[in-house]
Amino acid sequence: QVRLQESGRGLVKPSETLSLTCTVSGGSISTYYWSWIRQPPGKGLEWIGYVYNNGKTDYNPSLNSRVTISADTAKNQFSLSLSSVTAADTAMYYCARSGFVFDNWGQGILVTVSS
Amino acid sequence: DVVMTQSPDSLSVSLGERATIHCKSSQSLLYSSTNKNYLAWHQQKPGQPPKLLIYWASARESGVPDRFSGSGSGTDFTLTISSLQAEDVAVYYCQQYYSSPFTFGQGTKLEIK
Repeated sequence: QVRLQESGRGLVKPSETLSLTCTVSGGSISTYYWSWIRQPPGKGLEWIGYVYNNGKTDYNPSLNSRVTISADTAKNQFSLSLSSVTAADTAMYYCARSGFVFDNWGQGILVTVSS
Repeated sequence: DVVMTQSPDSLSVSLGERATIHCKSSQSLLYSSTNKNYLAWHQQKPGQPPKLLIYWASARESGVPDRFSGSGSGTDFTLTISSLQAEDVAVYYCQQYYSSPFTFGQGTKLEIK
């Protein structure tokens, strides 16, 4: 069973860059697509984007200009970078495996944007 | 973007009774070349990440109890819990994977009456 674990800073200042890493165990990131999804407190789910093994990426246009997702196959990790954050970016951030659907999710990491 | 709209926003059902959640998409999720509906249902219990229940609109994920079933095609879909159990209290989300950006419904909160 594949397991995903998010890590990174839980507090980021406004205008700074949010950086998170997802470590995958029990399976290789060389197959499947690997996504980031976020959930503001008490609200619904928003897909941020994905990365595929060959470096192919796709991002939600609502965040496109601020998002970068990359993969490190040697470490079996993939990462999220979100620049110029504001309070509206405060959310639980989940990493997930996606073939067609999000079939394995990490536990999530709460990121708060505050000075 | 494909807009996903769920109804109702919240639902209160007695133990052992049927629970039904509806999901409507702003465009068809039926891909003609595969004849599959690109629609999934996820369950999110309090303090937990979402969990995949149903994909291809009606295929049950491994390990999901058979009281959960999905139906529908095109733009209208339904998640049914045939006999509600206490552990089914959660928020349920439909999600389309027909086209990017992948989008979710707003969620339906299911409680015990």
